[in-house]
Amino acid sequence: EAEVAQSPRYKITEKSQAVAFWCDPISGHATLYWYRQILGQGPELLVQFQDESVVDDSQLPKDRFSAERLKGVDSTLKIQPAELGDSAMYLCASSLALAGAYYEQYFGPGTRLTVT
Amino acid sequence: AQTVTQSQPEMSVQEAETVTLSCTYDTSESNYYLFWYKQPPSRQMILVIRQEAYKQQNATENRFSVNFQKAAKSFSLKISDSQLGDTAMYFCAFMGPDNYGQNFVFGPGTRLSVLP
Repeated sequence: EAEVAQSPRYKITEKSQAVAFWCDPISGHATLYWYRQILGQGPELLVQFQDESVVDDSQLPKDRFSAERLKGVDSTLKIQPAELGDSAMYLCASSLALAGAYYEQYFGPGTRLTVT
Repeated sequence: AQTVTQSQPEMSVQEAETVTLSCTYDTSESNYYLFWYKQPPSRQMILVIRQEAYKQQNATENRFSVNFQKAAKSFSLKISDSQLGDTAMYFCAFMGPDNYGQNFVFGPGTRLSVLP
């Protein structure tokens, strides 16, 4: 069964360092999502891609976060510089979704980031 | 903006018994989707059940069923014959009609423990 892959699974970094997360969606899924999930809370959408284009990044802290999906397949989320408040689980999800239609989102295992 | 509320941070149930998780939401949309997602400890989030707002019939998936009250903006999940594998965080989620960005909102979650 196809799955969303994410790496690394765990990352510990020091404050002010740069960190990057990678996501490989299910093959053929045009839409890719990055979520941040703070411990004890529900996921919060950071950015949504449709193919290689950003559909929504209104909740992405653009002064330190960036996301790209250059060829419309895999994606990288970067934080520079990392802050203590960035400690969270970063989830990637993908779907066949197109505007006006519903398709199920499939989630990856997440990357747990700890900033010290 | 849409909001999703889950008023039960934690719940427990004896194996084989029935439990109901509550969810309320706020929206001005007339057409939307509602979901329950399950996040087992250290495993990825998976979809449990979904409900289209235009459908009056409550969705059912094996031991999982929902009570959708559109006028009250209530969407509860009933788990029958609870099993140890049902132990997880459960998130209620809302998706607006165009599946874009901030139209997908998760609640804060309910931690369910199934006791032997």
